Amino acid sequence: DGGITQSPKYLFRKEGQNVTLSCEQNLNHDAMYWYRQDPGQGLRLIYYSQIVNDFQKGDIAEGYSVSREKKESFPLTVTSAQKNPTAFYLCASSPRDRVYEQYFGPGTRLTVT
Amino acid sequence: AQKVTQAQTEISVVEKEDVTLDCVYETRDTTYYLFWYKQPPSGELVFLIRRNSFDEQNEISGRYSWNFQKSTSSFNFTITASQVVDSAVYFCARRTKYSGGGADGLTFGKGTHLIIQP
Repeated sequence: DGGITQSPKYLFRKEGQNVTLSCEQNLNHDAMYWYRQDPGQGLRLIYYSQIVNDFQKGDIAEGYSVSREKKESFPLTVTSAQKNPTAFYLCASSPRDRVYEQYFGPGTRLTVT
Repeated sequence: AQKVTQAQTEISVVEKEDVTLDCVYETRDTTYYLFWYKQPPSGELVFLIRRNSFDEQNEISGRYSWNFQKSTSSFNFTITASQVVDSAVYFCARRTKYSGGGADGLTFGKGTHLIIQP
């Protein structure tokens, strides 16, 4: 089945540690995105990538980093510089000719204590 | 940024009632796309509908219907004869240009939490 995989579903970390969230897609989509969701805040864009080896900052990129070495994969690292990392993180992808049509993964809920 | 506003933070109705979720958008564009997504408790966003600005016809899909009004910049979503399984957070979104690289993407409203009570 084609789709987007995010693992794990729940992730717990101690403050001060970096943590990497996985996102894999087998839809052959060129573009991929990372969003953060906080209660009552909707989805906010962290980073996006339109093509392999290229990515751009979104609205709230501070404290996060990404890489796009393969078309299928777009991992997100939450660094210790991120002040409030506890949130629900959603990955999405879209095809080249309809980049506004985004397909979402199941999300990872990160809790940092 | 051109905003998408969902003024209703939470709506609670009893099963079988009809319910309308409001969405108001800002735009300076002649052509644009609008979307609705559903987020059930599992967390994954499920695509419901895409509407382009050329087409002002209202859309119906089973118990779901959408009312697109360019004159008021609104794209409201109605669920008829609501069911408990409709309980979810619903997001309205519009096509946008990201400020970082100018690529096309989506800007989301803050969502409306819909609770259908049995």
